[in-house]
Amino acid sequence: GNSVTQMEGPVTLSEEAFLTINCTYTATGYPSLFWYVQYPGEGLQLLLKATKADDKGSNKGFEATYRKETTSFHLEKGSVQVSDSAVYFCALSNGSGNTGKLIFGQGTTLQVKP
Amino acid sequence: DTGVSQDPRHKITKRGQNVTFRCDPISEHNRLYWYRQTLGQGPEFLTYFQNEAQLEKSRLLSDRFSAERPKGSFSTLEIQRTEQGDSAMYLCASSPGLGGYTFGSGTRLTVV
Repeated sequence: GNSVTQMEGPVTLSEEAFLTINCTYTATGYPSLFWYVQYPGEGLQLLLKATKADDKGSNKGFEATYRKETTSFHLEKGSVQVSDSAVYFCALSNGSGNTGKLIFGQGTTLQVKP
Repeated sequence: DTGVSQDPRHKITKRGQNVTFRCDPISEHNRLYWYRQTLGQGPEFLTYFQNEAQLEKSRLLSDRFSAERPKGSFSTLEIQRTEQGDSAMYLCASSPGLGGYTFGSGTRLTVV
């Protein structure tokens, strides 16, 4: 079946450090891939997405590239800020008979210290 | 556009009681989803509506759970005879099409 695996957290970084959060997936067909962010006390927000192989999604300095050959969609940011502290979820939506249903990873908590 | 609203934000109930949650999606969104999120885990899909039609239900949605979306507008999720294992955050999301969800802030249910 379809599944998403993320690196375990928490990830603790100093401000301006480089961030990578690993995400790999298992899916039939050609899924779309997403990163969602959940700030404390708030709902999930779409951060970025990619709908086909080699697409790069980007937003707010975050990037992720859809790598079909390694079934990965790692999240990166060159210089994190304290305000980036949140829980990050990788997710996929399978294209076949698409209801738009999302399958999420377990989430990775990012803590950025000043 | 006020986003997706969920009510209540928090609910504490005794085991065996029935609870009902409400979700008001973004008005022009025809797709509505319910998810459940337990502590330290990602959200898990429960059910999906397109307009008023419930098109998919997860096996997580036991016969104690029922969801409706009358007239394709707001939706309700009812849990009958609650169990402690039902304690979780219940999330609603709406979408105008594939991808591009907007999530509500969720209803946190605690069963004591």
